[in-house]
Amino acid sequence: EPEVTQTPSHQVTQMGQEVILRCVPISNHLYFYWYRQILGQKVEFLVSFYNNEISEKSEIFDDQFSVERPDGSNFTLKIRSTKLEDSAMYFCASSGIRLLGETQYFGPGTRLLVL
Amino acid sequence: AQKITQTQPGMFVQEKEAVTLDCTYDTSDPSYGLFWYKQPSSGEMIFLIYQGSYDQQNATEGRYSLNFQKARKSANLVISASQLGDSAMYFCAMTLNYGGATNKLIFGTGTLLAVQP
Repeated sequence: EPEVTQTPSHQVTQMGQEVILRCVPISNHLYFYWYRQILGQKVEFLVSFYNNEISEKSEIFDDQFSVERPDGSNFTLKIRSTKLEDSAMYFCASSGIRLLGETQYFGPGTRLLVL
Repeated sequence: AQKITQTQPGMFVQEKEAVTLDCTYDTSDPSYGLFWYKQPSSGEMIFLIYQGSYDQQNATEGRYSLNFQKARKSANLVISASQLGDSAMYFCAMTLNYGGATNKLIFGTGTLLAVQP
């Protein structure tokens, strides 16, 4: 069964360093999302991406964040200069079509720890 | 503003019994979708069930059913015949028909379910 994959599963970094989180969405999906979940809290929307551009972004997604689809398979989230409060689980999700009921399939997440 | 509320931070249920996890939502938009996801201790998010605002019947998927009460703005998840493997965090989420290109999910705070043998 097709699935969303994410690498790395865990990442530890120093404050101020750049990190790139990678995702491979389900191959025929067109809509891509990043969410984050701070430990013990709810899942929060960061950004959505369609047709090679950002469709919507939240207040969390400031200038330190960027997304890219560098080739036909990968979808990346870059944090330019990490802060302590960026420590969280980051989920990538994808969906096939844009219907209200279209399921977003989530990857296993990358747990980011900023020291 | 759109919001999902899950008032039960944690619940216990005996194995083989049914359990209801509460979810209320707030939106003035007439067109929306409601989802439930399961998050085991391993951390992944697993889709369980979907209910559309215009659906006439309550959604069912195996042991999962959604008790959708539109007038009360509630979308409770019912798990029948609980199993030990159902122990997990459960999130209710909503999408809205913004008219944009994508549909973001708005999540509640979750309910931690523990199934006891």
